[in-house]
Amino acid sequence: ETGVTQSPTHLIKTRGQQVTLRCSSQSGHNTVSWYQQALGQGPQFIFQYYREEENGRGNFPPRFSGLQFPNYSSELNVNALELDDSALYLCASSLAGGMSTRDTQYFGPGTRLTVL
Amino acid sequence: RKEVEQDPGPFNVPEGATVAFNCTYSNSASQSFFWYRQDCRKEPKLLMSVYSSGNEDGRFTAQLNRASQYISLLIRDSKLSDSATYLCVVNTPIAGGFKTIFGAGTRLFVKA
Repeated sequence: ETGVTQSPTHLIKTRGQQVTLRCSSQSGHNTVSWYQQALGQGPQFIFQYYREEENGRGNFPPRFSGLQFPNYSSELNVNALELDDSALYLCASSLAGGMSTRDTQYFGPGTRLTVL
Repeated sequence: RKEVEQDPGPFNVPEGATVAFNCTYSNSASQSFFWYRQDCRKEPKLLMSVYSSGNEDGRFTAQLNRASQYISLLIRDSKLSDSATYLCVVNTPIAGGFKTIFGAGTRLFVKA
């Protein structure tokens, strides 16, 4: 086990609603990255947080936002949910402070979001 | 063109076979490369990092060719337990940090 936890494990929402997903990083890790994985696809990078600041963002609209807390846990918020937001949301924690591209990422089990 | 491309497979091989996967990336500024393994409905798990000099971990060998912008993974003496999706991962510096791009994955089925 990586020590990275996510909650909830499953979630069902309807279009237009808002959702908050949570991630607790592995002990000692200060960087959290969030990914969206649609069925049959690889994970798509949403953004990364390092010491409570956004440290890189993928091609996701502003309705995807996040936070990182002083204990390095993190939240992913998605507003105005769309059907295409249905996916597995993964978080990954890492140690190198987000300043090294060699940073190894350890994934949590994911939250499966279904938007109806 | 996708930033990271992999042959989706599936690769169907018998136990004991040797199988190789390739992955190409489009951004020459990419700095770090990894192979992850993902089992069905599970999270990705790091298999190995990929270094310019090539590296080996037991039955697994990874190679990086910066000139041609591809990385490879070789699995020798395949086991049933190697059946999974193998994800190629590339880290590229961007303003303010870096971004991590996953390939769509290559599916491997090892059969008895």
